[in-house]
Amino acid sequence: DAAVTQKPRYLIKMKGQEAEMKCIPEKGHTAVFWYQQKQSKELKFLIYFQNQQPLDQIDMVKERFSAVCPSSSLCSLGIRTCEAEDSALYLCSSSQWQGTNSDYTFGSGTRLLVI
Amino acid sequence: QQKVQQSPESLIVPEGGMASLNCTFSDRNSQYFWWYRQHSGEGPKALMSIFSNGDKKEGRFTAHLNKASLHVSLHIKDSQPSDSALYFCAVIGWDTNAYKVIFGKGTHLHVLP
Repeated sequence: DAAVTQKPRYLIKMKGQEAEMKCIPEKGHTAVFWYQQKQSKELKFLIYFQNQQPLDQIDMVKERFSAVCPSSSLCSLGIRTCEAEDSALYLCSSSQWQGTNSDYTFGSGTRLLVI
Repeated sequence: QQKVQQSPESLIVPEGGMASLNCTFSDRNSQYFWWYRQHSGEGPKALMSIFSNGDKKEGRFTAHLNKASLHVSLHIKDSQPSDSALYFCAVIGWDTNAYKVIFGKGTHLHVLP
């Protein structure tokens, strides 16, 4: 079982609705990442938190997403207005610190379908 | 900016065969290299790491790193149907003012029984 927990596992939204997904990082990990994966293909980096502070994110996240880590044990990723192109698997991963030789632990993901 | 490329995109090997996956990177100062495996319906899981030039063997899996050639590879000996998955190469290096992890686009491995 993954040490990173993601909920819900599946999410169905209509176009224009808001979506929210949550991630519980592995205990002791201070770096949290969100990725978007479409059709079992490449991992698209979305945002990186270090000690709950966002340190890097792509423009799409700044424009249409909301992401926070209010505590070291909970992070969330939200989409303010869902679009069809947002249908994807959203993966959360955590690590002790980005840049160390430690591995990145991934959750099983939240699969979002926008109809 | 670091570029990580994987080849081939898709690979089919017979059960018991050898699977070879390749990854090239652009930044010579890259420090840490990981291989991840993702089975259908799951998140990626770390398979093995390699930090020094040369070979590293873990069971049926051997990783090879050549920093001078900007190349890291993964070889799976005696491939099993359960090895069928999407494999990612991950490269960690210093970028501007922080370490960054960059994932390749992945190689789909299919092992035929």
